[in-house]
Amino acid sequence: AQSVSQHNHHVILSEAASLELGCNYSYGGTVNLFWYVQYPGQHLQLLLKYFSGDPLVKGIKGFEAEFIKSKFSFNLRKPSVQWSDTAEYFCAVNLLTGGGNKLTFGTGTQLKVEL
Amino acid sequence: KAGVTQTPRYLIKTRGQQVTLSCSPISGHRSVSWYQQTPGQGLQFLFEYFSETQRNKGNFPGRFSGRQFSNSRSEMNVSTLELGDSALYLCASSLEATAYEQYFGPGTRLTVT
Repeated sequence: AQSVSQHNHHVILSEAASLELGCNYSYGGTVNLFWYVQYPGQHLQLLLKYFSGDPLVKGIKGFEAEFIKSKFSFNLRKPSVQWSDTAEYFCAVNLLTGGGNKLTFGTGTQLKVEL
Repeated sequence: KAGVTQTPRYLIKTRGQQVTLSCSPISGHRSVSWYQQTPGQGLQFLFEYFSETQRNKGNFPGRFSGRQFSNSRSEMNVSTLELGDSALYLCASSLEATAYEQYFGPGTRLTVT
């Protein structure tokens, strides 16, 4: 069965530090990839997505992610985090086989940014 | 555009009862998916509806069911509630059924006592 792994469960950074959150998936077919963020008390919001084309995708709030097909990875990066980036981050994969929307989520990474 | 709305936002039910949750997608969106979020299992896919038809289904027991109406609004029903059904139930909508990005609602927090 398809699975998504996020290896960092809790990350604590100081403001202005660089961020990289890992995401690996276990399916060899064609996929769409997503990063969602859940700020405290708010609902899930889409940060960025990869469907095809340039493997380096840029999202909102200065986030970017790189799709490396050979490594089945879709890591999230931000050069300089802010206190307001404190949130839980979820990687998600949608298999394109069979069609439709059926996201498989990673377990999430809780990011805390300290002043 | 208004976002995905879910009602009610909070619900407390007793074991053995049944519950119905409602979701109104973003205007123009035709696909509605449901997810369950718990601390232990994370976010898990329940089912997806498109044009009033169930397109995909997750690995949940038959006590979990749903439907979609002609205006794309969707409901999910859980019968014979168990303590383990306590969770945040999220609804997400997307434009079409073919792998578009999904937009999530705030969720319904269900507590089963």
